[in-house]
Amino acid sequence: NAGVTQTPKFRVLKTGQSMTLLCAQDMNHEYMYWYRQDPGMGLRLIHYSVGEGTTAKGEVPDGYNVSRLKKQNFLLGLESAAPSQTSVYFCASSYSRSKGATNEKLFFGSGTQLSVL
Amino acid sequence: RKEVEQDPGPFNVPEGATVAFNCTYSNSASQSFFWYRQDCRKEPKLLMSVYSSGNEDGRFTAQLNRASQYISLLIRDSKLSDSATYLCVVNRAGGFKTIFGAGTRLFVKA
Repeated sequence: NAGVTQTPKFRVLKTGQSMTLLCAQDMNHEYMYWYRQDPGMGLRLIHYSVGEGTTAKGEVPDGYNVSRLKKQNFLLGLESAAPSQTSVYFCASSYSRSKGATNEKLFFGSGTQLSVL
Repeated sequence: RKEVEQDPGPFNVPEGATVAFNCTYSNSASQSFFWYRQDCRKEPKLLMSVYSSGNEDGRFTAQLNRASQYISLLIRDSKLSDSATYLCVVNRAGGFKTIFGAGTRLFVKA
């Protein structure tokens, strides 16, 4: 059982370049999320999805786009990378948002270290 | 002011010590509370949920005080393997607001 798989693990971009981060989960979870983690700050939600074909903005969505064409996949795109997007990106999924640890538990991918020069 | 605040540490403790972490949250509409553990350069993983009545899992005890909007995590008999960053996580009622604290770093030394 792979859980949540993210690719790539590391990437270096030049300012203005674009890229897509891939996230796949095999737990049949409805909810998927993209977070970024920066030193001294908690994880911040970029975008999320409550099901196939749906996406919504999180706390820090500017400069990012997402798509959820299939239930198991959630893609994060950077259209024109900026140095401020240098961060560690985590994809996560959960069964639902109903109250309770079983429903709300977040399963994270192993992260993508992105550097924008 | 951050919605979820934690002492960043680091906490440096010897093996066998008892250590306590605190977390405060500012939104009274928060409904679910968790502690996650994050090892260096790894993803966060759920350590335990936090209930109003308090709950224990082996050497770990979590407590919630809704009146004071305060959450705690107590680790007894610390092990070297407990060295990690501990994240306080709060879910608001309704919507999709999961707020992560910045984490408290723990180093357990032999």
